[in-house]
Amino acid sequence: DAGVIQSPRHEVTEMGQEVTLRCKPISGHDYLFWYRQTMMRGLELLIYFNNNVPIDDSGMPEDRFSAKMPNASFSTLKIQPSEPRDSAVYFCASSLSVSPGIQYFGAGTRLSVL
Amino acid sequence: QQQVKQSPQSLIVQKGGISIINCAYENTAFDYFPWYQQFPGKGPALLIAIRPDVSEKKEGRFTISFNKSAKQFSLHIMDSQPGDSATYFCAASAGDYKLSFGAGTTVTVRA
Repeated sequence: DAGVIQSPRHEVTEMGQEVTLRCKPISGHDYLFWYRQTMMRGLELLIYFNNNVPIDDSGMPEDRFSAKMPNASFSTLKIQPSEPRDSAVYFCASSLSVSPGIQYFGAGTRLSVL
Repeated sequence: QQQVKQSPQSLIVQKGGISIINCAYENTAFDYFPWYQQFPGKGPALLIAIRPDVSEKKEGRFTISFNKSAKQFSLHIMDSQPGDSATYFCAASAGDYKLSFGAGTTVTVRA
């Protein structure tokens, strides 16, 4: 298996633009997690899905952030409009329901908002 | 507010030495304590994990020690190698799903 695949790996955009980050979980995994990593706040859970349904979005910082999972093999995290303070590395992770604590992370998307 | 406090922020150890990273928590509902390893430019990867019903778990050169009464747990890396140079995160969850991560410890192993 190729693991969790995220795209793009790097994104540079200007303040006010819409940004869409993409994630393909490991096939067969039924949990999907979105995290944000910054030097100041460390690794934060933003939202997670079970069987494509959002379960907990309490970590989503503002209404500018939204996440969807239209099917078992694809999820998006959208920021609209983007702001410089959104600059961070965003990770997607997936896991199996029999072992949800064993999360497999993608390589991340490094987002820079100018 | 971080639910898991991790120390030190960084450490340097000689090849063959022992690296020790400590974590503390307050939430007594936590029942799963994994450690993740992250190399530059990569996502975190699960290294080893423990549940409160055991006080120690060993996998190769990596050992978790768990003290339930003190609400502390630690990672020991024995015979540290240059390839162990990475950032290590402790984490905790209640029911496995929602992991709360520590701030991370950057370990540098000098050859």
